[in-house]
Order: sequence, then C-alpha cells, then structure tokens
Amino acid sequence: GESVGLHLPTLSVQEGDNSIINCAYSNSASDYFIWYKQESGKGPQFIIDIRSNMDKRQGQRVTVLLNKTVKHLSLQIAATQPGDSAVYFCAETSSGGYQKVTFGIGTKLQVIP
Amino acid sequence: SQTIHQWPATLVQPVGSPLSLECTVEGTSNPNLYWYRQAAGRGLQLLFYSVGIGQISSEVPQNLSASRPQDRQFILSSKKLLLSDSGFYLCAWSSTGTQPQHFGDGTRLSIL
Repeated sequence: GESVGLHLPTLSVQEGDNSIINCAYSNSASDYFIWYKQESGKGPQFIIDIRSNMDKRQGQRVTVLLNKTVKHLSLQIAATQPGDSAVYFCAETSSGGYQKVTFGIGTKLQVIP
Repeated sequence: SQTIHQWPATLVQPVGSPLSLECTVEGTSNPNLYWYRQAAGRGLQLLFYSVGIGQISSEVPQNLSASRPQDRQFILSSKKLLLSDSGFYLCAWSSTGTQPQHFGDGTRLSIL
C-alpha cells in the first residue's frame, strides 16, 4: 500500500473515544480550509470544509474548528471507530480565481480496538 | 454524481521509457483538473492544473508534461522517465470557484 504514513505524526486512540487532529497553517490570506482522509493505497477523500467566516462546522461525527487568530485548524472525530484509521491532512487555499491549495503532511490516526 | 477514474493503479517502467497516465471525470462539465505527486512523509505537490481544454499550467519544472485533449480528460506524460519520477501520482478535479478538490485513487509508479 501507499507509504504516506512513514515519518508522520501519529495519534493513537482507543475505539469509542474522541479524536482531535490539529493543523497549523501559514498563509494569513487563506480563507478556505479542507480536511481529507487518506487510507492506505487510496487517494485522499474529502471529509469536511470550512470557510473563514465561520469558526466551527459540524458533519456526521466530525467537527472542524478554525482559529484564525493563531492560524490553527482542528478536526474532531466523535466515537472513533476502527474504520477511521487513516492519514488525515488539512489543506488551505484562498478564494477567488484559480485555487492553489497547500496541503499539510498529515497525521496518522491509529484506532486501538 | 461525479466520479473520477485514474489508471493504471500500479505501473513499473524502466528508466528512459515513456509514460502516459490517464484521468477522466464523469458527471460534471468544465471541471478544473489537477495532477499531484505524493512522496512519503510530504504533502501533495502540485504538478499541473488545467482550467479548460488545451489550457495547462505547470507548477514545477520537471521531466513531465500534461495535456487536456477533452473537457473531462487529463493526461500526464513523459518522453523518458527518470528514477526520480517514481512516486504516487494523483489526479483531482474541482468545480470552478472555491470548492474542494476530489481525488482519484492514484497510480503507484515505480521506475527500475
């Protein structure tokens, strides 16, 4: 499978617990943020996004929090399941015209049954 | 619904051989299209993007080229592969405007 998990920060979580994955971004002009999930050997899968006019957005079992003051983004996964094991990475871009997206390296989430 | 197809899933090629990776999108019109390379422990590196047929922008100088012969078809090519071209190549599409990019399942390219 894809070796994208090598040398990545790893978060180990017990099944059923909540997971929090953090991401720091660098560009103050970024106003659109996306979280992706990548399973071994597959392409990144869109999870949730948030625009800079919001500081919180919820999906099914996932919540994204945005703190523009400190340029920090987090993904919270409720009641983590074994199927949540994957690499998660954030992406930032600025709206308007062509959207060049900057992707983070990612965090590997390991769910312990 | 929209789908993106990328093939082949894996490819082993000798140094100096040509390359053609294909990506097609279904269920949408005039998408933005992208080619990325993903190296272990690194973020996605944008190689090319296209906002329309025949319109290709290159992000990094390299041994690769891209073409968009049809609205929903994006091709990554090389005339002579180098060892450094090994990697995981991902195609993605997005709608115009500020929308998320959606990825194919990638091609694992190994150069021997």
